[in-house]
Amino acid sequence: QKEVEQNSGPLSVPEGAIASLNCTYSDRGSQSFFWYRQYSGKSPELIMSIYSNGDKEDGRFTAQLNKASQYVSLLIRDSQPSDSATYLCAALGSNYGGSQGNLIFGKGTKLSVKP
Amino acid sequence: DTAVSQTPKYLVTQMGNDKSIKCEQNLGHDTMYWYKQDSKKFLKIMFSYNNKELIINETVPNRFSPKSPDKAHLNLHINSLELGDSAVYFCASSRNYRANYGYTFGSGTRLTVV
Repeated sequence: QKEVEQNSGPLSVPEGAIASLNCTYSDRGSQSFFWYRQYSGKSPELIMSIYSNGDKEDGRFTAQLNKASQYVSLLIRDSQPSDSATYLCAALGSNYGGSQGNLIFGKGTKLSVKP
Repeated sequence: DTAVSQTPKYLVTQMGNDKSIKCEQNLGHDTMYWYKQDSKKFLKIMFSYNNKELIINETVPNRFSPKSPDKAHLNLHINSLELGDSAVYFCASSRNYRANYGYTFGSGTRLTVV
């Protein structure tokens, strides 16, 4: 069974700080990775995707991927109280892993940004 | 204009009943999914349809039966509801079965079985 592991938190950071969220995945064939944000009672919303090793920046968000270590992370700079949500890491399953096209989600990390 | 819409948003029903959840997407996507999110927020795939054809059918009780009349619609029918079926059910869609750009999720249906 292919898995994505995340620290469930809660992760608490002060407003203006950098929040660092991490996940690891087990399917070595996965090539596409996503971060979703889910506010309480709402649906997951795609905030970042990453496909190549290295960093990808979009505004205050930076996604990092290391395929050799099977590790994905999300940095949120200048954290705001409105960033308080659960962040879900997802890996796109591969043919190698027997789950092509299937987004495998971690259990999510709950982030709390204190004013 | 809602991209992926689900109805109903809330569903409270008694054990043993049969219920349906409907999903429609207006994104022109080829592939649609049903995911179940339990009380611990864990999202797990149930089914996937590509152009009306079933392509993923995870280990889900036979009481759950998806139906896709066309590629824009994917409905979920549940027979003989059990307490353990209580969860939030999300419909999602992707451009194609490779899902390289991720999914777009509907707003969810919170099912409570009493």
